[in-house]
Amino acid sequence: DQQVKQNSPSLSVQEGRISILNCDYTNSMFDYFLWYKKYPAEGPTFLISISSIKDKNEDGRFTVFLNKSAKHLSLHIVPSQPGDSAVYFCAQGGSNYKLTFGKGTLLTVNP
Amino acid sequence: GAVVSQHPSWVICKSGTSVKIECRSLDFQATTMFWYRQFPKQSLMLMATSNEGSKATYEQGVEKDKFLINHASLTLSTLTVTSAHPEDSSFYICSALDRGRYNEQFFGPGTRLTVL
Repeated sequence: DQQVKQNSPSLSVQEGRISILNCDYTNSMFDYFLWYKKYPAEGPTFLISISSIKDKNEDGRFTVFLNKSAKHLSLHIVPSQPGDSAVYFCAQGGSNYKLTFGKGTLLTVNP
Repeated sequence: GAVVSQHPSWVICKSGTSVKIECRSLDFQATTMFWYRQFPKQSLMLMATSNEGSKATYEQGVEKDKFLINHASLTLSTLTVTSAHPEDSSFYICSALDRGRYNEQFFGPGTRLTVL
Protein backbone atom coordinates (compact mmCIF):
# COMPACT_ATOMS: atom_id res chain seq x y z
CA ASP A 1 0.00 0.00 0.00
CA GLN A 2 1.38 3.35 -1.00
CA GLN A 3 2.22 5.71 1.82
CA VAL A 4 2.29 8.74 -0.46
CA LYS A 5 -0.43 9.07 -3.07
CA GLN A 6 -0.72 11.42 -5.99
CA ASN A 7 -4.09 10.50 -7.40
CA SER A 8 -3.93 12.70 -10.48
CA PRO A 9 -1.51 11.28 -13.03
CA SER A 10 -1.76 14.44 -15.13
CA LEU A 11 -2.88 18.04 -15.04
CA SER A 12 -3.20 20.58 -17.82
CA VAL A 13 -3.48 24.35 -17.24
CA GLN A 14 -3.23 27.52 -19.27
CA GLU A 15 -0.24 29.78 -19.00
CA GLY A 16 -0.78 32.44 -16.36
CA ARG A 17 -3.32 30.41 -14.41
CA ILE A 18 -2.80 28.59 -11.13
CA SER A 19 -1.62 24.98 -11.05
CA ILE A 20 -2.63 22.96 -8.00
CA LEU A 21 -0.94 19.62 -7.46
CA ASN A 22 -2.23 17.37 -4.70
CA CYS A 23 -0.73 14.69 -2.53
CA ASP A 24 -2.18 12.51 0.25
CA TYR A 25 -0.25 10.54 2.79
CA THR A 26 -1.04 7.85 5.32
CA ASN A 27 1.87 7.95 7.76
CA SER A 28 2.04 11.03 9.99
CA MET A 29 5.38 10.07 11.52
CA PHE A 30 7.49 12.08 9.10
CA ASP A 31 9.37 15.29 9.78
CA TYR A 32 9.01 17.08 6.50
CA PHE A 33 7.51 16.98 3.05
CA LEU A 34 9.09 17.96 -0.23
CA TRP A 35 8.14 18.60 -3.82
CA TYR A 36 10.45 17.67 -6.65
CA LYS A 37 10.29 18.49 -10.32
CA LYS A 38 11.50 16.01 -12.90
CA TYR A 39 12.11 16.21 -16.62
CA PRO A 40 12.33 13.05 -18.76
CA ALA A 41 15.63 11.18 -18.49
CA GLU A 42 16.80 13.46 -15.69
CA GLY A 43 16.91 13.11 -11.94
CA PRO A 44 14.46 15.01 -9.72
CA THR A 45 15.33 18.55 -8.70
CA PHE A 46 14.25 19.97 -5.39
CA LEU A 47 11.52 22.57 -5.54
CA ILE A 48 10.18 23.38 -2.11
CA SER A 49 9.71 21.74 1.27
CA ILE A 50 7.64 22.15 4.40
CA SER A 51 8.21 21.04 7.94
CA SER A 52 5.50 18.94 9.54
CA ILE A 53 5.04 21.63 12.19
CA LYS A 54 4.06 24.26 9.63
CA ASP A 55 1.04 24.60 7.39
CA LYS A 56 2.41 26.84 4.66
CA ASN A 57 5.67 27.64 2.96
CA GLU A 58 6.13 30.05 0.11
CA ASP A 59 8.97 30.56 -2.33
CA GLY A 60 8.32 32.89 -5.23
CA ARG A 61 5.65 31.40 -7.46
CA PHE A 62 5.54 28.19 -5.45
CA THR A 63 3.52 27.67 -2.27
CA VAL A 64 3.10 24.40 -0.42
CA PHE A 65 0.20 23.86 1.95
CA LEU A 66 0.05 21.15 4.58
CA ASN A 67 -3.23 20.03 6.12
CA LYS A 68 -2.24 17.60 8.83
CA SER A 69 -5.77 16.72 9.93
CA ALA A 70 -6.62 15.69 6.36
CA LYS A 71 -3.12 14.26 5.72
CA HIS A 72 -3.04 16.29 2.59
CA LEU A 73 -0.35 18.31 0.88
CA SER A 74 -0.70 20.62 -2.10
CA LEU A 75 1.61 22.64 -4.30
CA HIS A 76 0.36 25.84 -5.86
CA ILE A 77 2.17 27.39 -8.80
CA VAL A 78 1.04 30.84 -9.78
CA PRO A 79 1.30 32.13 -12.39
CA SER A 80 2.03 28.91 -14.29
CA GLN A 81 4.58 29.09 -17.09
CA PRO A 82 5.26 26.70 -19.99
CA GLY A 83 8.66 25.96 -18.48
CA ASP A 84 6.88 24.50 -15.46
CA SER A 85 5.75 21.56 -17.59
CA ALA A 86 7.29 18.48 -15.96
CA VAL A 87 6.47 15.62 -13.63
CA TYR A 88 6.04 16.71 -10.02
CA PHE A 89 6.68 14.30 -7.18
CA CYS A 90 5.76 14.81 -3.57
CA ALA A 91 7.84 13.02 -0.97
CA GLN A 92 8.00 12.47 2.76
CA GLY A 93 11.22 12.58 4.71
CA GLY A 94 12.29 11.65 8.21
CA SER A 95 15.27 11.94 10.52
CA ASN A 96 17.15 9.29 8.56
CA TYR A 97 16.82 11.38 5.38
CA LYS A 98 15.14 8.51 3.52
CA LEU A 99 12.48 9.75 1.12
CA THR A 100 9.17 8.13 0.22
CA PHE A 101 7.84 9.32 -3.10
CA GLY A 102 4.44 9.45 -4.73
CA LYS A 103 3.95 8.30 -8.32
CA GLY A 104 4.09 11.81 -9.72
CA THR A 105 1.77 14.13 -11.61
CA LEU A 106 2.56 15.28 -15.13
CA LEU A 107 1.89 19.00 -15.38
CA THR A 108 1.42 20.54 -18.81
CA VAL A 109 1.23 24.31 -19.05
CA ASN A 110 -0.18 25.38 -22.37
CA PRO A 111 0.93 28.70 -23.91
CA GLY B 1 22.73 23.64 -6.33
CA ALA B 2 25.21 20.83 -5.94
CA VAL B 3 25.94 18.49 -8.82
CA VAL B 4 25.63 14.72 -8.82
CA SER B 5 26.62 12.71 -11.86
CA GLN B 6 25.86 9.15 -12.88
CA HIS B 7 27.66 6.95 -15.33
CA PRO B 8 26.64 5.48 -17.64
CA SER B 9 23.47 7.33 -18.55
CA TRP B 10 22.15 4.25 -20.28
CA VAL B 11 23.30 0.69 -20.71
CA ILE B 12 22.05 -2.35 -22.59
CA CYS B 13 23.33 -5.74 -21.55
CA LYS B 14 22.65 -9.40 -22.03
CA SER B 15 20.86 -11.46 -19.43
CA GLY B 16 23.28 -12.95 -16.92
CA THR B 17 25.90 -10.22 -17.12
CA SER B 18 26.74 -7.73 -14.37
CA VAL B 19 26.45 -3.99 -14.73
CA LYS B 20 28.13 -1.31 -12.62
CA ILE B 21 26.61 2.15 -12.20
CA GLU B 22 28.60 4.99 -10.69
CA CYS B 23 27.25 7.91 -8.70
CA ARG B 24 29.54 10.87 -8.01
CA SER B 25 29.08 14.05 -6.04
CA LEU B 26 31.11 16.55 -8.04
CA ASP B 27 31.41 19.56 -5.77
CA PHE B 28 30.74 18.27 -2.29
CA GLN B 29 31.52 15.30 -0.10
CA ALA B 30 28.74 12.88 0.58
CA THR B 31 29.03 10.40 3.40
CA THR B 32 25.55 9.19 2.60
CA MET B 33 24.10 8.39 -0.78
CA PHE B 34 20.85 6.71 -1.71
CA TRP B 35 19.94 4.42 -4.59
CA TYR B 36 16.43 4.47 -6.06
CA ARG B 37 14.73 2.53 -8.81
CA GLN B 38 11.88 3.78 -10.91
CA PHE B 39 9.67 1.65 -13.13
CA PRO B 40 7.57 3.36 -15.84
CA LYS B 41 4.80 5.53 -14.40
CA GLN B 42 5.75 4.48 -10.89
CA SER B 43 7.28 6.32 -8.00
CA LEU B 44 10.95 6.31 -7.14
CA MET B 45 11.48 3.39 -4.77
CA LEU B 46 14.34 3.54 -2.32
CA MET B 47 16.55 0.48 -2.68
CA ALA B 48 19.36 1.14 -0.25
CA THR B 49 21.35 3.66 1.74
CA SER B 50 25.03 3.81 0.88
CA ASN B 51 27.32 4.84 3.72
CA GLU B 52 30.94 5.79 3.14
CA GLY B 53 33.28 3.34 4.81
CA SER B 54 30.60 0.93 5.95
CA LYS B 55 28.09 -1.54 4.59
CA ALA B 56 25.03 -0.37 2.77
CA THR B 57 21.64 -0.81 4.38
CA TYR B 58 18.96 -2.26 2.16
CA GLU B 59 15.23 -1.71 2.15
CA GLN B 60 12.92 -4.62 2.71
CA GLY B 61 12.59 -6.83 -0.33
CA VAL B 62 15.81 -5.68 -2.01
CA GLU B 63 18.35 -8.47 -2.47
CA LYS B 64 21.72 -7.29 -1.21
CA ASP B 65 23.58 -10.02 -3.08
CA LYS B 66 22.01 -8.98 -6.33
CA PHE B 67 22.46 -5.23 -5.92
CA LEU B 68 25.98 -4.73 -4.61
CA ILE B 69 26.74 -1.28 -3.27
CA ASN B 70 30.18 0.09 -2.57
CA HIS B 71 30.85 3.56 -1.15
CA ALA B 72 34.61 3.62 -1.26
CA SER B 73 35.16 7.37 -1.10
CA LEU B 74 33.39 10.52 -0.01
CA THR B 75 32.40 11.31 -3.58
CA LEU B 76 31.69 7.94 -5.15
CA SER B 77 29.15 5.18 -4.67
CA THR B 78 28.69 2.30 -7.08
CA LEU B 79 25.75 0.00 -7.64
CA THR B 80 26.45 -3.32 -9.34
CA VAL B 81 23.51 -5.27 -10.68
CA THR B 82 24.80 -8.85 -10.67
CA SER B 83 23.53 -11.50 -13.06
CA ALA B 84 21.05 -9.07 -14.52
CA HIS B 85 17.72 -10.31 -15.85
CA PRO B 86 15.07 -8.58 -17.96
CA GLU B 87 13.00 -7.81 -14.86
CA ASP B 88 15.92 -5.70 -13.60
CA SER B 89 15.41 -3.32 -16.50
CA SER B 90 14.58 0.01 -14.92
CA PHE B 91 15.70 3.57 -14.34
CA TYR B 92 18.22 3.72 -11.49
CA ILE B 93 18.74 7.06 -9.75
CA CYS B 94 21.14 7.96 -7.00
CA SER B 95 21.07 10.89 -4.63
CA ALA B 96 23.74 12.34 -2.39
CA LEU B 97 23.19 14.00 0.95
CA ASP B 98 24.96 17.34 1.30
CA ARG B 99 25.37 17.92 5.00
CA GLY B 100 26.83 21.33 4.28
CA ARG B 101 23.55 22.39 2.68
CA TYR B 102 21.13 21.55 5.46
CA ASN B 103 21.18 17.86 4.49
CA GLU B 104 19.53 18.50 1.17
CA GLN B 105 19.53 15.58 -1.24
CA PHE B 106 20.77 16.14 -4.76
CA PHE B 107 19.83 13.63 -7.41
CA GLY B 108 21.83 12.29 -10.27
CA PRO B 109 20.40 12.23 -13.80
CA GLY B 110 19.68 8.52 -13.63
CA THR B 111 20.80 5.43 -15.54
CA ARG B 112 18.52 3.58 -17.88
CA LEU B 113 19.27 -0.14 -17.71
CA THR B 114 17.86 -2.48 -20.34
CA VAL B 115 18.54 -6.19 -19.97
CA LEU B 116 17.91 -8.25 -23.07
